[in-house]
Amino acid sequence: DVKVTQSSRYLVKRTGEKVFLECVQDMDHENMFWYRQDPGLGLRLIYFSYDVKMKEKGDIPEGYSVSREKKERFSLILESASTNQTSMYLCASRDTFYEQYFGPGTRLTVT
Amino acid sequence: GENVEQHPSTLSVQEGDSAVIKCTYSDSASNYFPWYKQELGKRPQLIIDIRSNVGEKKDQRIAVTLNKTAKHFSLHITETQPEDSAVYFCAAVNTGGFKTIFGAGTRLFVKA
Repeated sequence: DVKVTQSSRYLVKRTGEKVFLECVQDMDHENMFWYRQDPGLGLRLIYFSYDVKMKEKGDIPEGYSVSREKKERFSLILESASTNQTSMYLCASRDTFYEQYFGPGTRLTVT
Repeated sequence: GENVEQHPSTLSVQEGDSAVIKCTYSDSASNYFPWYKQELGKRPQLIIDIRSNVGEKKDQRIAVTLNKTAKHFSLHITETQPEDSAVYFCAAVNTGGFKTIFGAGTRLFVKA
């Protein structure tokens, strides 16, 4: 059974802080994704990675960066958190048949 | 840019009735169309998918149809039950497989 875990379920940060969200998968998947989920907007892709140290921008990369130093771990970084980054963040990994397995999500509140 | 439109945004049905959710995609290179179900407070999970070489696929009470010419695909749930209440997302994946474009979601309520 594929397991994708995220470092925090809930996080509260102040404006301007640097925020790290971590995601770990245990199925040796090459592809990993970070999405942001907002009501009425569905899931929007922030960044994805198709291999260690490889990354590509998604649809809304502004204000975010990522790091993938090991195959199983994909980190999302908010360089300077802002209130408009308050959202649910979902990590996913993808198998060779294109099915995506999601983590439980991190609800981030920036005050 | 490429997008997926999903309708309706909210759907309320009586237990035992059928529910239909429709999606339209714009990227002609899309060839894989998954549907995810997200229950309240939980992660999205794949419930059914269809690939472009197939027109219809069924799994017990759920079915998906695909019309590549019109760039439409739909989810059909028959004999709905209260546990079907959730948000459903359609998605379209291009041939490279890296980019998955999700619809905005449909919140389904099944009234007992």
